[in-house]
Amino acid sequence: GIQVEQSPPDLILQEGANSTLRCNFSDSVNNLQWFHQNPWGQLINLFYIPSGTKQNGRLSATTVATERYSLLYISSSQTTDSGVYFCAVENSGAGSYQLTFGKGTKLSVIP
Amino acid sequence: SAVISQKPSRDICQRGTSLTIQCQVDSQVTMMFWYRQQPGQSLTLIATANQGSEATYESGFVIDKFPISRPNLTFSTLTVSNMSPEDSSIYLCSVEAGGGTEAFFGQGTRLTVV
Repeated sequence: GIQVEQSPPDLILQEGANSTLRCNFSDSVNNLQWFHQNPWGQLINLFYIPSGTKQNGRLSATTVATERYSLLYISSSQTTDSGVYFCAVENSGAGSYQLTFGKGTKLSVIP
Repeated sequence: SAVISQKPSRDICQRGTSLTIQCQVDSQVTMMFWYRQQPGQSLTLIATANQGSEATYESGFVIDKFPISRPNLTFSTLTVSNMSPEDSSIYLCSVEAGGGTEAFFGQGTRLTVV
């Protein structure tokens, strides 16, 4: 099946700093999403971005499908950004609408 | 988008017992998905539930342990049977807004087995 690798696995930032999270995937995809899992376990949709660039406030994401990677940018980080960020993809050839998740990046923003 | 209500949000259960988790969606969806997230790990798909047919289970998951019901297009249940401490995880249901588009998740059920 498709492989999804996220980096870095852990990241500690000072409040106000910027960061880039990366997601590499091993095959073509129909669907790529970024999620933020809060401390209570809920998955919050950040971006649906199988290709191109999107921005939402301090967050933006870029997916280069031909090169099989996606980037999530967090600017002016806040303590509320802490949590785990997951990239998840749906393989184009699978036809099953199932998501494969990366192992996540655990972000800690300290005041 | 889709709004998913999942309950219970958390539970502590005795080993050997069973827990049924409910997932209600605010719109009709063809497929619903159940995921497990073990402590400190990523999400793993348990099964895909289609209305009117038996659920399709992923490798490593069996119907006797995780029976699923899908009585209509807005509701599904996952039962965790004969629980052991290794079943302690967050269980999440998910739907897609349409084929190949954005997936949405319930708030999850945090299960602890003692």
